[in-house]
Amino acid sequence: GAGVSQTPSNKVTEKGKYVELRCDPISGHTALYWYRQSLGQGPEFLIYFQGTGAADDSGLPNDRFFAVRPEGSVSTLKIQRTERGDSAVYLCASSSVALLAGGDNEQFFGPGTRLTVL
Amino acid sequence: DAKTTQPNSMESNEEEPVHLPCNHSTISGTDYIHWYRQLPSQGPEYVIHGLTSNVNNRMASLAIAEDRKSSTLILHRATLRDAAVYYCILRDGADSNYQLIWGAGTKLIIKP
Repeated sequence: GAGVSQTPSNKVTEKGKYVELRCDPISGHTALYWYRQSLGQGPEFLIYFQGTGAADDSGLPNDRFFAVRPEGSVSTLKIQRTERGDSAVYLCASSSVALLAGGDNEQFFGPGTRLTVL
Repeated sequence: DAKTTQPNSMESNEEEPVHLPCNHSTISGTDYIHWYRQLPSQGPEYVIHGLTSNVNNRMASLAIAEDRKSSTLILHRATLRDAAVYYCILRDGADSNYQLIWGAGTKLIIKP
């Protein structure tokens, strides 16, 4: 079956603009994560959804960042008033979390959206 | 979450085994050890994970020290397609938060 898909693959925008990044998780996966990755670094956690609700949004850097997952499937990461420092690859991952302790939450990642803020 | 320490980069020859080390001296009893890798211009992919016992799967083996303060990811016969950044991550199994905390990883270079 299809893996995690993200659109667009590349997004170039100007400072101050609003952008939306979309993630289509693997069908049936209840857990969805957003990360962002700067060059040469590992992914940085942003937000985690379990179903439709944001179970943990502690990684969102400020209130310009917001994410939704209204039907428990597709998620959109929204960034308002973009800044040059927001430039990064935004990664989405999903997993079939059965709330098992510890190990069994292999996360399946999409290819990412490369955001460039000029 | 406890932190991990990995070498910045490693080189290996094609078709030889590769041992990627990870130190996690502050690991707790409920921390699982996860390994992911990221090929160039792709999202990360799961490799293997374990708690106490050594683990094997089709991609790799995970050797965990008896005191659990270190582990080694073993690629039995590296190919050029194994060139990637390898991340060692600890995740607390007692924590309902499923986020992964990533370090900078080890860049594995495979020489033909």
